[in-house]
Amino acid sequence: VQMTQSPSYLAASPGESVSISCKASKSISNNLAWYQEKPGKANKLLIHSGSTLQSGTPSRFSGSGSGTDFTLTIRSLESEDFAVYYCQQYNEYPPTFGAGTKLELK
Amino acid sequence: EVQLVESGGGLVQPGRSMKLSCAASGFTFNNYDMAWVCQAPKKGLEWVATISYDGSSTYYRDSVKGRFTISRDNAKSTLYLQMDSLRSEDTATYYCARQLPYYFDYWGQGVMVTVSS
Repeated sequence: VQMTQSPSYLAASPGESVSISCKASKSISNNLAWYQEKPGKANKLLIHSGSTLQSGTPSRFSGSGSGTDFTLTIRSLESEDFAVYYCQQYNEYPPTFGAGTKLELK
Repeated sequence: EVQLVESGGGLVQPGRSMKLSCAASGFTFNNYDMAWVCQAPKKGLEWVATISYDGSSTYYRDSVKGRFTISRDNAKSTLYLQMDSLRSEDTATYYCARQLPYYFDYWGQGVMVTVSS
């Protein structure tokens, strides 16, 4: 299953809200996870099952969608949110990731 | 606190072998499937291999089948990746991850493998 993320780059300011899209090449039900990657830190699972926040994920993060179209939304951006975000499908093997979205400070 | 610490990376010549290790702590290792995920320079993440909690089942991406072997020692809470017949395209940072059950809830910080003559 191919995962297409957009945009590849996103510039925003603290306090703004942003959305990242992830599209699957076929239906994956709600078997989608979102991860955050930051330099020098282990990747962090933010959301699984399309919209379920992992323990410890701030409530300003939300996930939506099912089937082929999914969205990660971050409301009221904080400085610690500037990172790279990946989606991953786990509906079938092999698990596959999107190419990533780099969220940069405007 | 869950910790996954990879080791064993470095520079290796094409065609040679390398073995990665991942020391796990902070959870009951033998209760979880484990995986390796890699990231080539300036590329995205790619799943490499998964091993079931008891080591009885293993799964590989097509490009590493027959060359890579994932294994685990539950007594030592350690995950391994034996990489043989290495190619330049295997150059990447390799991450150890806890798999739950098909997504990855904890990751290590990764170890770099460079395949070059």
